[in-house]
Amino acid sequence: EVQLQQSGAELVRPGTSVKLSCKVSGDTITAYYMHFVKQRPGQGLEWIGRIDPEDDSTKYAEKFKNKATLTADTSSNTAYLKLSSLTSEDTATYFCTTDWGDWGQGVMVTVSS
Amino acid sequence: ETTVTQSPASLSMAVGEKVSISCKTSTDIDDDMNWYQQKSGEAPKLLISEGNTLRPGVPSRFSSSGYGTDFVFTINNVLLGDEGIYYCQQSDNVPNTFGAGTKLELK
Repeated sequence: EVQLQQSGAELVRPGTSVKLSCKVSGDTITAYYMHFVKQRPGQGLEWIGRIDPEDDSTKYAEKFKNKATLTADTSSNTAYLKLSSLTSEDTATYFCTTDWGDWGQGVMVTVSS
Repeated sequence: ETTVTQSPASLSMAVGEKVSISCKTSTDIDDDMNWYQQKSGEAPKLLISEGNTLRPGVPSRFSSSGYGTDFVFTINNVLLGDEGIYYCQQSDNVPNTFGAGTKLELK
């Protein structure tokens, strides 16, 4: 059984950065594209981007190209999402998923001074 | 970018009724459409994947159809436990866009 464990909730200041982790167990991370999805409170799902841990190639939605950075560490079977220059618009729950079939539990990021 | 237009935004159904949700895409995506259920406070759950393929363990009451730009998701004999928000998502091209969601409420 594949499981995805995401890091804990974050309270961060505007203008700073945060790095979220997503650890995969039950399979090797290189078997999948790792996607990250944003969900603002009470809102729908928004695709941020994906990384292929096999070769570290990435694709991003246009609006996240200067906001999000995806990386992966095959030695620890973990994918990462770094969000920079945080504003209140980044307050949301962020999910990771392995090619859509398995999902992390989500991590709430709150941007507030 | 492929736009996904989902309707209706909400549904109020009685137990045992049939639910239909429509998604239309702005480009031809073959049958690369996924359907999810999300319950409050939880991650989305993939119910049906590309090719109108029911995921393992998902009841056969759930089904979908469609190809190209028009897609329909159906729940036959809806149950109380089916309450939640349903999303469609195209996985044909990046960005992998989602529909806006359909909130299903049971009377």
